Amino acid sequence: QEKVQQSPESLIVPEGAMVSLNCSFSDSASQSIWWYQQHPGKGPKALISIFSNGNKKEGRLTVYLNRASLHVSLHIKDSQPSDSAVYLCAVNDNNNAPRFGAGTKLSVKP
Amino acid sequence: EAAVTQSPRNKVAVTGGKVTLSCNQTNNHNNMYWYRQDTGHGLRLIHYSYGAGSTEKGDIPDGYKASRPSQENFSLILELATPSQTSVYFCASGAAGEDTQYFGPGTRLLVL
Repeated sequence: QEKVQQSPESLIVPEGAMVSLNCSFSDSASQSIWWYQQHPGKGPKALISIFSNGNKKEGRLTVYLNRASLHVSLHIKDSQPSDSAVYLCAVNDNNNAPRFGAGTKLSVKP
Repeated sequence: EAAVTQSPRNKVAVTGGKVTLSCNQTNNHNNMYWYRQDTGHGLRLIHYSYGAGSTEKGDIPDGYKASRPSQENFSLILELATPSQTSVYFCASGAAGEDTQYFGPGTRLLVL
């Protein structure tokens, strides 16, 4: 069973700051890793994924994956108050049944 | 965008009662999932399905049953509800061979 751990649990930053979120997983043979965003009272929404070692950039988001160290990170450039949400890391196993971390609660203050 | 709906949105049940949570998706996705979300635990996988008639156990299946009568519908059944099953339940769907999940809005269940 895949174990997924996220850090920090919560983060408060000023508007415009760079945000870095971390996720570690237990199975190096895992498939893709996804980041989801969840606003209060809503279901999670997929943001960005990565499969291969290295980085991937989409707009203000950049994700880095290092399979050797079982670590993935999400970086949000020029953070906005609308980015305030819980960010969930999800790791897919070979059965395509994703396992989620507990999440990081991000607050971006104007 | 994929549409996943859940009903009811809120439910109060009594201990020992039967509860059925329903999920419907209109995007012809093969895969469907049920999760519960509790503070400090994130989303935990209860049951999932690869298509009509199939159900698979996730990580915390005890006390829950699942039913997938059609491509569109996936139900979660609590035969004998307990207070420990008080939680927010999310349904999700995804296309076969793709790993993006589309989530419903959630059902908030309170078992007294």
